Amino acid sequence: GAVVSQHPSRVICKSGTSVKIECRSLDFQATTMFWYRQFPKQSLMLMATSNEGSKATYEQGVEKDKFLINHASLTLSTLTVTSAHPEDSSFYICSANPSGGPRGLEQYFGPGTRLTVT
Amino acid sequence: RKEVEQDPGPFNVPEGATVAFNCTYSNSASQSFFWYRQDCRKEPKLLMSVYSSGNEDGRFTAQLNRASQYISLLIRDSKLSDSATYLCVVIFSGGYNKLIFGAGTRLAVHP
Repeated sequence: GAVVSQHPSRVICKSGTSVKIECRSLDFQATTMFWYRQFPKQSLMLMATSNEGSKATYEQGVEKDKFLINHASLTLSTLTVTSAHPEDSSFYICSANPSGGPRGLEQYFGPGTRLTVT
Repeated sequence: RKEVEQDPGPFNVPEGATVAFNCTYSNSASQSFFWYRQDCRKEPKLLMSVYSSGNEDGRFTAQLNRASQYISLLIRDSKLSDSATYLCVVIFSGGYNKLIFGAGTRLAVHP
């Protein structure tokens, strides 16, 4: 149980284009999902918290107009990187917090999406 | 100062060795502590929670020292399959309990 999927697992796009990454909780509902970014040899950094049916909460320094988050259902959150640039190349990982569980304490991670912007 | 600090390693040890990792955190209001394991180019996976009384899971022992704001992980009888990056994770108190990750300590176990 508690499986989280991400799609795509890997994407290469040209500078200036937009890329959408999906995060799905497959066997549980998740009121809250989290989006992280990890650069090589660095720690996972929380980008934003996605709440079903409401606006996402962004961490300091993360541009909400560049990283669009939509959490339209209890099993799906999407992250769209708009007008991607090479410096956006990174490993993007989502996690899902089961509804009804201790808020934030129980997080199940997706397998990650490796984005390369050329 | 980073919120969660770890020695990046790498720690190169032979099979069967005992190895210890340390982690310090800056926020004294931190509530919960975990060790995650991350294999290369994969997502992190929860290894174990860390409690003030210390806890053990097979070959793995985790300790927490709140006074010193210090967490440790001890791995006994290392296996080749233990090779990975070990992430120290702290939850600061807050409305939605954010996970704060350390940069990780790399372990390489060789035959």
